[in-house]
Amino acid sequence: QVHLVESGGGVVQPGRSLRLSCAASGFTFSSYGIHWVRQAPGKGLEWVAVISYDGSNKYYIDSVKGRFTISRDSSKNTLYLQMNSLRAEDTAVYYCAKSMSPRRLVEGFDPWGQGTLVTVSS
Amino acid sequence: VIWMTQSPSLLSASPGDRVIISCRMSQDISTYLAWYRQKPGKAPELLIYGASTLQSGVPSRFSGSGSGTGFTLTISGLQSEDFATYYCQQYYTFPLTFGGGTKVEIK
Repeated sequence: QVHLVESGGGVVQPGRSLRLSCAASGFTFSSYGIHWVRQAPGKGLEWVAVISYDGSNKYYIDSVKGRFTISRDSSKNTLYLQMNSLRAEDTAVYYCAKSMSPRRLVEGFDPWGQGTLVTVSS
Repeated sequence: VIWMTQSPSLLSASPGDRVIISCRMSQDISTYLAWYRQKPGKAPELLIYGASTLQSGVPSRFSGSGSGTGFTLTISGLQSEDFATYYCQQYYTFPLTFGGGTKVEIK
């Protein structure tokens, strides 16, 4: 069964850093692109970043470019999101989500992890 | 950036009703559109991709249609688990974007 489990969320002060992890199981991790999507409290969904199946391509939403870095370690079946210079507006539940088809960067997202909450506050 | 207008934002309906949710794009995206259902406190679930293809395991009461700039999600016969929030998403170009969501509540 395909499973994604995020971790690493918490409360952090503005300007500080945090690294999120997404542990994958139940599928060939090295064959799929993986995304980060966030949801601010009571708000809608916002796509954040994607990394291709082999790590060679990465795309970000403009608001996090230069601050966030997506990466993956296929030896550990784990996706990461390094978040630097955090701002109050980065406060959200962060989900990782798998592209539904192998080697395709974008298509439907299936499945999603349960999410991890990041709160940026002084 | 492709802007998406999802309507209505709130829909009141009764179990068994047929409901339609609309999603309009600021530019042509062919059929690069997906629909998700998000139950309260849970992660979103993929319902439809390619504008009209039902994801495996999704009940047939869900259907999607449209291409270009106009799309709809139809739920034929609302079940209790369908009272949730629905999002459309375009994957035609980066940045990927979602509609603002439609909350389906019990009338």
